[in-house]
Amino acid sequence: DGGITQSPKYLFRKEGQNVTLSCEQNLNHDAMYWYRQDPGQGLRLIYYSQIVNDFQKGDIAEGYSVSREKKESFPLTVTSAQKNPTAFYLCASSSSGQAYGYTFGSGTRLTVV
Amino acid sequence: SQKIEQNSEALNIQEGKTATLTCNYTNYSPAYLQWYRQDPGRGPVFLLLIRENEKEKRKERLKVTFDTTLKQSLFHITASQPADSATYLCALDIRWNTDKLIFGTGTRLQVFP
Repeated sequence: DGGITQSPKYLFRKEGQNVTLSCEQNLNHDAMYWYRQDPGQGLRLIYYSQIVNDFQKGDIAEGYSVSREKKESFPLTVTSAQKNPTAFYLCASSSSGQAYGYTFGSGTRLTVV
Repeated sequence: SQKIEQNSEALNIQEGKTATLTCNYTNYSPAYLQWYRQDPGRGPVFLLLIRENEKEKRKERLKVTFDTTLKQSLFHITASQPADSATYLCALDIRWNTDKLIFGTGTRLQVFP
């Protein structure tokens, strides 16, 4: 079955550490996205990519970095510059260029300890 | 400023009744609007998409309306069931007819027997 896989499901980060969240899809989707979800604030866009080797900042990109070396993969690194990284992170993909719904992964809950 | 508003208060209804959720937006001219369902600790699941030139869209027990003059979408679940209990998110494209979505904060629906 095609889908989008995020790992790990839970992640704990110490202060000052960089961590990388994995997102892999086998849907042959061109576009991929990273959102952050905090209670009462909805989903906020961090980064998105519409084609391999290209990506754009979303509304809250500071303290995050991404890469898109393969169509299937769009990892997100939460750097030590992100002051409040504790949140639920969601990866999504869609067929680019048309108004299709997003397919979301099951999310990664990141906690700073 | 640009804003999407969904009722932050939970909607509680009795099984068998019709649930109606509201999504209002300001300062956007979206080409389409989408609705998603999200269960606790899970990623959102795409339900329906409605385009700006469509007034109404149906899928099984779901119905969505889209009024671009009022800048409002209504999401209806007929013959509601306890299994419909979840948070429902609306989303629309940030710039006309692009793939990038901005999400509302969601409305929690609770259907009781």
